[in-house]
Amino acid sequence: AQSVTQLDSQVPVFEEAPVELRCNYSSSVSVYLFWYVQYPNQGLQLLLKYLSGSTLVKGINGFEAEFNKSQTSFHLRKPSVHISDTAEYFCAVSAPGGYQKVTFGTGTKLQVIP
Amino acid sequence: DGGITQSPKYLFRKEGQNVTLSCEQNLNHDAMYWYRQDPGQGLRLIYYSQIVNDFQKGDIAEGYSVSREKKESFPLTVTSAQKNPTAFYLCASSDRDRTEAFFGQGTRLTVV
Repeated sequence: AQSVTQLDSQVPVFEEAPVELRCNYSSSVSVYLFWYVQYPNQGLQLLLKYLSGSTLVKGINGFEAEFNKSQTSFHLRKPSVHISDTAEYFCAVSAPGGYQKVTFGTGTKLQVIP
Repeated sequence: DGGITQSPKYLFRKEGQNVTLSCEQNLNHDAMYWYRQDPGQGLRLIYYSQIVNDFQKGDIAEGYSVSREKKESFPLTVTSAQKNPTAFYLCASSDRDRTEAFFGQGTRLTVV
């Protein structure tokens, strides 16, 4: 069985400051890892994904994440946040074999303070 | 533009009534999914379909039903057997590789 833990339910940060949203996973097989963003009353939009290869993954809107197999983590980072980054962020883990195997974390609400 | 369309965006129903949520995609994706989202709980898989005329239960299928008569369409019916139907429902689809999914804008269902 696989699981995802997002350690922070809410993260407040001042505009133009850096931010890190934490995600830890557990899985007994090789994994695919994802970060999604959700704006209020909207669907999920993929920020970035790790399938294989380079452990540093760059995504849209200036976000990046690093896959750390030894620490079973996939933390999301942005060096300078903008007001428009205020949203909820979901980490997800999947195993090869189909998206129906995706497990989502409980989400982290990022609040950017002007 | 290709994408996934969910309708309606907001839906109100009386307790005990069945209600059907629409999901249409023009991405030519084989696989489609329905998720339920509740505050603080992330997304939970209700049903998924990997091909027309075939679908499987997800983690929380009780009280829900689906059909997949066309590749483009995957409607979800919330039946009166669902004990707590008020939630945000998301439809998604994925391509043949099934390494990621594309989501619709969601339907917020409120049962009163």
